[in-house]
Amino acid sequence: QKEVEQNSGPLSVPEGAIASLNCTYSDRVSQSFFWYRQYSGKSPELIMSIYSNGDKEDGRFTAQLNKASQYVSLLIRDSQPSDSATYLCAVFQAGTALIFGKGTTLSVSS
Amino acid sequence: GAVVSQHPSRVICKSGTSVKIECRSLDFQATTMFWYRQFPKKSLMLMATSNEGSKATYEQGVEKDKFLINHASLTLSTLTVTSAHPEDSSFYICSARDVAGGTGELFFGEGSRLTVL
Repeated sequence: QKEVEQNSGPLSVPEGAIASLNCTYSDRVSQSFFWYRQYSGKSPELIMSIYSNGDKEDGRFTAQLNKASQYVSLLIRDSQPSDSATYLCAVFQAGTALIFGKGTTLSVSS
Repeated sequence: GAVVSQHPSRVICKSGTSVKIECRSLDFQATTMFWYRQFPKKSLMLMATSNEGSKATYEQGVEKDKFLINHASLTLSTLTVTSAHPEDSSFYICSARDVAGGTGELFFGEGSRLTVL
């Protein structure tokens, strides 16, 4: 059974701090990794994708992938109250549907 | 990114009626679309994989006769909730993967909130 695990939170950080979101996955042959953000009552929106080991930066967001440890993380620098949402980690293997974690709720206080 | 449109965004119906939700990929072709359901404060749960020109693949525990899926073209999949009951009230979200997109990235529709009275 393919699994994607996330700490459900809530993760609370003050405005301006770095928020660190973590995700582990069980299937070693997973190929692509995604972070989606979901606001309450809305559908998920893609914020980061990463396919190879290392870091990938996009603005205030940095995704980190370590395939040997089966671990992917998302760092949000200079966190803003508008970043408060649920963050979903998703893992893809060719020929399968995207497998989602249960999500981590982030709360950024001003 | 690619655009997936879902309609209607909200629907309220009486118990026992059927509701159809449409999912369209607007600027790409999708041989495969996915239907998810999300209850309040719960995670996204994959209901079924919709395959263009063939039968949908349902996840364990999802009644295929209750949740009818039709994927008649490369840009349209529909989910019909038949004989809806209050326990079917949920947020239904479709997603699609670009045929040419081998990276697996999914694009989501806006979601359809179903309330069954």
